[in-house]
Amino acid sequence: EPEVTQTPSHQVTQMGQEVILRCVPISNHLYFYWYRQILGQKVEFLVSFYNNEISEKSEIFDDQFSVERPDGSNFTLKIRSTKLEDSAMYFCASRRDVTDTQYFGPGTRLTVL
Amino acid sequence: EDKVVQSPLSLVVHEGDTVTLNCSYEVTNFRSLLWYKQEKKAPTFLFMLTSSGIEKKSGRLSSILDKKELFSILNITATQTGDSAVYLCAVDSNYQLIWGAGTKLIIKP
Repeated sequence: EPEVTQTPSHQVTQMGQEVILRCVPISNHLYFYWYRQILGQKVEFLVSFYNNEISEKSEIFDDQFSVERPDGSNFTLKIRSTKLEDSAMYFCASRRDVTDTQYFGPGTRLTVL
Repeated sequence: EDKVVQSPLSLVVHEGDTVTLNCSYEVTNFRSLLWYKQEKKAPTFLFMLTSSGIEKKSGRLSSILDKKELFSILNITATQTGDSAVYLCAVDSNYQLIWGAGTKLIIKP
């Protein structure tokens, strides 16, 4: 069964460094999402992406964040200058169309020191 | 402001018991309501509900939506220790999922 994959599973970085989190959505899916979950807190929406552009973004998704679909398969989330409070689990999700459910990847745990 | 509220926040029951988890919502653009189970990492999909009054079932789990009263329930019958998890409710509102805080369910043997 096709699934969303994410790499790396765990990323440790120093405050101020740039990180890129990678996701490979399910191949025939057209809608892509990033969410994050700080330990012990609820899942938060970051951004949605369709047709090579951002459809919606939350107030968390400020100028430090960017997303890209550099080729036909990858969907990346870049954090330009990480802060301690960026430490969280980052989930990528995708779906075929807006009537479909979103399928989640296994997540990347980001630890900012 | 859009919000999804789940109750209870945590629940401890014994194996074999039946549990009912609640989710209420207030969102401006409702497309569907989803239930997920989160164990260690990513949420795994359980149900998607779009119409009122139609029960969705999968084994011992079932769920129903009331769009008039703006809530949904998730039932688990004959609980097992493997049902221990955080159960998340989310409302699909056009471009994003709006999440509840989850119900942490612990099943004691």
